[in-house]
Amino acid sequence: DGGITQSPKYLFRKEGQNVTLSCEQNLNHDAMYWYRQDPGQGLRLIYYSQIVNDFQKGDIAEGYSVSREKKESFPLTVTSAQKNPTAFYLCASSQTGVLDGYTFGSGTRLTVV
Amino acid sequence: GQNIDQPTEMTATEGAIVQINCTYQTSGFNGLFWYQQHAGEAPTFLSYNVLDGLEEKGRFSSFLSRSKGYSYLLLKELQMKDSASYLCAVRDGGDYKLSFGAGTTVTVRA
Repeated sequence: DGGITQSPKYLFRKEGQNVTLSCEQNLNHDAMYWYRQDPGQGLRLIYYSQIVNDFQKGDIAEGYSVSREKKESFPLTVTSAQKNPTAFYLCASSQTGVLDGYTFGSGTRLTVV
Repeated sequence: GQNIDQPTEMTATEGAIVQINCTYQTSGFNGLFWYQQHAGEAPTFLSYNVLDGLEEKGRFSSFLSRSKGYSYLLLKELQMKDSASYLCAVRDGGDYKLSFGAGTTVTVRA
């Protein structure tokens, strides 16, 4: 079955360390997205990519970095420059040019101690 | 930019009806989505409106008025499993990305 996979589901890191969250999809979707969700807040867009080797900053890109070397993969690195990285991170994908919404991964809960 | 507002919380009784309102002010518009999200899980798609009017899908219906920047999600015959957060999201006119409201937590009581 096609889908979008995020790993790991839970991640613990020490303050000051960089950490990379994985997102892989086999839906042949062109576009991929990273959102952050904090308690009581909606999803906020970190980065998005509509095509391989290209990506754009979202509303809260500071302290994060991404790459899109393959259509299937869109990893997110949370760097030490991110002031408050503890959150629930959601990856999503969609097909551009089609009036559909997103398919979401199951999320990664990152806790920085 | 995008400004999407929805109530924070709502409570209703099992078997009842609840209406969740969403108002938006966006720089572009190419559709409005409703998602359901249970605690600790990913959002799941409920409905999509791009033209004015009502879309019905079983117990769930969604309405859109583009001129008023307004939508609502109607949940009928509430069940305990409907207790969740409901997210309103607007698609940008240009590049298909979604902007989300903060979500409405619905609690269904017996």
